[in-house]
Order: sequence, then structure tokens, then C-alpha cells
Amino acid sequence: RKEVEQDPGPFNVPEGATVAFNCTYSNSASQSFFWYRQDCRKEPKLLMSVYSSGNEDGRFTAQLNRASQYISLLIRDSKLSDSATYLCVVNTGGGNKLTFGTGTQLKVEL
Amino acid sequence: NAGVTQTPKFQVLKTGQSMTLQCAQDMNHNSMYWYRQDPGMGLRLIYYSASEGTTDKGEVPNGYNVSRLNKREFSLRLESAAPSQTSVYFCASSETGTGREKLFFGSGTQLSVL
Repeated sequence: RKEVEQDPGPFNVPEGATVAFNCTYSNSASQSFFWYRQDCRKEPKLLMSVYSSGNEDGRFTAQLNRASQYISLLIRDSKLSDSATYLCVVNTGGGNKLTFGTGTQLKVEL
Repeated sequence: NAGVTQTPKFQVLKTGQSMTLQCAQDMNHNSMYWYRQDPGMGLRLIYYSASEGTTDKGEVPNGYNVSRLNKREFSLRLESAAPSQTSVYFCASSETGTGREKLFFGSGTQLSVL
């Protein structure tokens, strides 16, 4: 089993839709979780950290489910500008090593 | 504020040639990293430097060397390039390197080895 797994997509959704991605991780000792956004041929940029209690930033909501070992990202009212690849990042084993998922591609269409 | 600057943006090498990728950050960060990104794979850590004067191997260090020249600069050297090293390379930095903080990435270097 991979340390961090994501559905590669693409997820094709109409503008205004709600879309959710999940990311599973294998090491139960992992402590820190992040979602990064990567536009085509650009560098990854932090979208949001994921906290145990869940957190929201505008249209974006991130949640952590420790029992089932996954994190999720929910995007409400999708915009064309949300089209990108979303990378799940986990500090595997709770140390300083970060493991990146392969990314989930989102395409928001008119 | 430039953040993380890496050069060059594009490079084509022939098998066996050598080159150095340069990276500099102006955020006074302690930790710096080199990643490679290949299609269908997540970013993989090549080498990192937790602080000035230290470097450590990551997941895929073979064929690479690094130098933490000072707190600002962290270079990646390919001594004898191979086609398997064709990839997009990203330099990154973070404040303390705990694995619990934001990574700041450079804009990437697209390297092709023929």
C-alpha cells in the first residue's frame, strides 16, 4: 500500500458545483496533513493545513478522519479558477519527512 | 520579496554531461529541499538540508550531490546525467524543517537528458 494515495481524476465538474476529494494515508502515527494546489507546469502552493477538528477557508473545507486514516477537501461553488491539481501531503510517521500524493486533477467547466 | 529562486528554468543535457541547479531563498529559512516530480508520481525528496552546514539523503539521492553553500543557497549537482534523471526539479524551503509547516517552492527546472 502506498504511504499516501489519491484518486488521480480528472474530476470534471460544472461551475458552481460542490466537489470533494479524499486522500488516504498508511501510517497511523502521521501528525500533520496539508493540501497543496499545483497549477499546470507551476510550483505547488499551500492551500490549507488540515487540523484534527476540521477547518474551513472560504469555499474550502478540510477534514481529518484518523480512524479511517484519510483526509478530505471539499470545494463549494466551484470556479473556473479552481481548475488545478490538488496534492495531499502527509508528514509520514509524525517525523519531519513529508510524503506527497500523486495529486487529483480538477477541471471546472462552464 | 522574491521567496525561492531557482535557475535555470529549462535545461537540455546529453547523457554523461554534468550540471548544477541553483536555488536561493530570501526568507531566512533554516531548511531547504530538492524534489523531483515525474508523471504519475508524487514529488519525491532527493536531498534536504535541515540547517546550514548539514545535508541528508532523501528518498531518491542516487546520481545527485548537494551543497548548502550558506543559509540562503542550496545547490543540486548532477555529475553524470542519465535519461532517468529527466524530470521537473523543485527547490523548496521551510522555516524550521519540522514537517509541520508550510513549504515554499521555487518555480521549477524542467530538465531533459537525451
